[in-house]
Amino acid sequence: EAEVAQSPRYKITEKSQAVAFWCDPISGHATLYWYRQILGQGPELLVQFQDESVVDDSQLPKDRFSAERLKGVDSTLKIQPAELGDSAMYLCASSLAAGSTMNTEAFFGQGTRLTVV
Amino acid sequence: RKEVEQDPGPFNVPEGATVAFNCTYSNSASQSFFWYRQDCRKEPKLLMSVYSSGNEDGRFTAQLNRASQYISLLIRDSKLSDSATYLCVVKKDSNYQLIWGAGTKLIIKP
Repeated sequence: EAEVAQSPRYKITEKSQAVAFWCDPISGHATLYWYRQILGQGPELLVQFQDESVVDDSQLPKDRFSAERLKGVDSTLKIQPAELGDSAMYLCASSLAAGSTMNTEAFFGQGTRLTVV
Repeated sequence: RKEVEQDPGPFNVPEGATVAFNCTYSNSASQSFFWYRQDCRKEPKLLMSVYSSGNEDGRFTAQLNRASQYISLLIRDSKLSDSATYLCVVKKDSNYQLIWGAGTKLIIKP
C-alpha cells in the first residue's frame, strides 16, 4: 500500500538551531500539506502545495519557517531558528487534486516529533 | 467562531454501548467531509468519507446534514479498541483546503 514517507521520525534540537523535515507524498498526489499538531489539538495547517505552487501559507510563520516543493513531488519544511514553542508533531499529508473522480481524502505520514530544548 | 467545531469530550462509554458525536461547520460552500481517527501520538488515519446520502461501514455510520451544517458519526457495539480521538474534516473542493476540528476523545471502558 502506498504511503506518505516522512523523515526523521524524531528530532531533538537546541533553540536557535536550524532544523529540516522531509516528506515524500504518495505518487501522483498533486496536493501536499504540512501541518503542525500540538498534543490535544487538531492539526494546524502550515502550508499547502498544489504541484510546486503554494496554495496557502497564511498560517506559516515566515520569519522562521520556509517550505518548498521544487519539482512538485517531495517537499522540505525548514525552521530557522527553532524556538521552544516549536516543539510539536509535524505532519505531512497528500491527496489527489479535486476534480478527480476518485476520493480526495488526505493520507498522512507518520510525522516528525520535534523537541526544542 | 471556529470553522469546524467538535465537542472535545472525553466521552467515557462502556464497552458494547452505542456512542455518537457531531461536528458542525460554518462554511456552506464546503463540499467533502471526512472522519479521521487518531491514536495517541500517532498520525490521523481516514476512518470514513461522509456522503450526502449517509454511509455505513460495519459498526460505523456517518451522516451529513447540509441544512443544519453538521456531520455525525455513530459507533455501535463499541470495542475497547475504538478508544481514540475522532477528528472531523471539511474540505473545500474549490482550493482543496482541509479544515480540521480539534477532535473528540473517546474512551471505551470494560
